[in-house]
Amino acid sequence: ETGVTQTPRHLVMGMTNKKSLKCEQHLGHNAMYWYKQSAKKPLELMFVYSLEERVENNSVPSRFSPECPNSSHLFLHLHTLQPEDSALYLCASSLSTHSGNTIYFGEGSWLTVV
Amino acid sequence: QQPVQSPQAVILREGEDAVINCSSSKALYSVHWYRQKHGEAPVFLMILLKGGEQKGHEKISASFNEKKQQSSLYLTASQLSYSGTYFCGTGGSGNTGKLIFGQGTTLQVKP
Repeated sequence: ETGVTQTPRHLVMGMTNKKSLKCEQHLGHNAMYWYKQSAKKPLELMFVYSLEERVENNSVPSRFSPECPNSSHLFLHLHTLQPEDSALYLCASSLSTHSGNTIYFGEGSWLTVV
Repeated sequence: QQPVQSPQAVILREGEDAVINCSSSKALYSVHWYRQKHGEAPVFLMILLKGGEQKGHEKISASFNEKKQQSSLYLTASQLSYSGTYFCGTGGSGNTGKLIFGQGTTLQVKP
């Protein structure tokens, strides 16, 4: 238990569906992240939020839309996804975005696009 | 730029030692080490900061050579529970939050 909770753990969606991934952290951190992990690929940083403001957007397609309503919650809204978007999506948090802070990961949401 | 890990995979017998290396082409402020088991979240092992240091807990330790922009993870007297994929994540100075991960090293410990 890392203090970062993700729901749902598994999601299967069609290419025309709209769904959302949810992340909540109970660590009092100010920074939150979305990472994508595909088979046999390294962890890819998607978005970074600091105090609810997006500070990094790593050339992610617009079919992925993040939302950070407060420093404890982070969403990833999904629409018109492609099969190649199937992956493990990991949420993480840290005290701040400074690279000296430990990043704590959630269990991840396994996404399958059919 | 993505750090490079070596080796890509290693198979050990219980009780044997292993070293996993992480090299970057960019100046580093921090190196983070994680272990991930299949289907689970990456678990934080340790972080090393600029200044060149060595850290350890239990039988897992790491070193950071900032001049060479390298870090090494040392696993001694390996246990079955050490099996998994090990990732290094490198961070530059500043407050960007941009931790870049290597491709991972798969470690399998056999009885």
